[in-house]
Amino acid sequence: DTGVSQDPRHKITKRGQNVTFRCDPISEHNRLYWYRQTLGQGPEFLTYFQNEAQLEKSRLLSDRFSAERPKGSFSTLEIQRTEQGDSAMYLCASSLSSGRAIETQYFGPGTRLLVL
Amino acid sequence: DAKTTQPPSMDCAEGRAANLPCNHSTISGNEYVYWYRQIHSQGPQYIIHGLKNNETNEMASLIITEDRKSSTLILPHATLRDTAVYYCIVRSETGATNKLIFGTGTLLAVQP
Repeated sequence: DTGVSQDPRHKITKRGQNVTFRCDPISEHNRLYWYRQTLGQGPEFLTYFQNEAQLEKSRLLSDRFSAERPKGSFSTLEIQRTEQGDSAMYLCASSLSSGRAIETQYFGPGTRLLVL
Repeated sequence: DAKTTQPPSMDCAEGRAANLPCNHSTISGNEYVYWYRQIHSQGPQYIIHGLKNNETNEMASLIITEDRKSSTLILPHATLRDTAVYYCIVRSETGATNKLIFGTGTLLAVQP
């Protein structure tokens, strides 16, 4: 098991462009989370999926953001018409929920986005 | 989920035990205490979690007070690679949400 992976690790884009990030969770983990982290702050929750269903979205997730997990495995996070305020580290985490016990989330290395 | 309070920073000498405190005075009966750490420019790393009893694994020990209002993460022999921001998070087993709520954590600086 190689853990949660994210691609790309770094992305530089110009304001107004669209960007897409990918997250591959730990194999057989049914829950997948996206967080955003700005400099000096702890990660903030954006959204999460159980299998392919998106069950919760934060108010931080504006209409320019969309996340998908089409087959319940990998997930993508797209930001349309990027703004300089979108510059942050985007973190993905996954967990295995059995419904019986609290589950532990394991994080990927993150994608660092810089919007010029 | 209950809120936590941690000191913003701590120093520790290499080879000595690092004791990181966390206050969670409003914790409720079904809430767990989780610890993560984040080394610079990396994703958060899970360390340990507990409900009532003290817990130990290969990374650290977690000591939870009897009233559960505070806890201490212990790194028994800190190394330079333990320099990181440590986050204490309280999380409900049966909460309406599964998200982790991070504060600003404690920056532990291990000194040579």
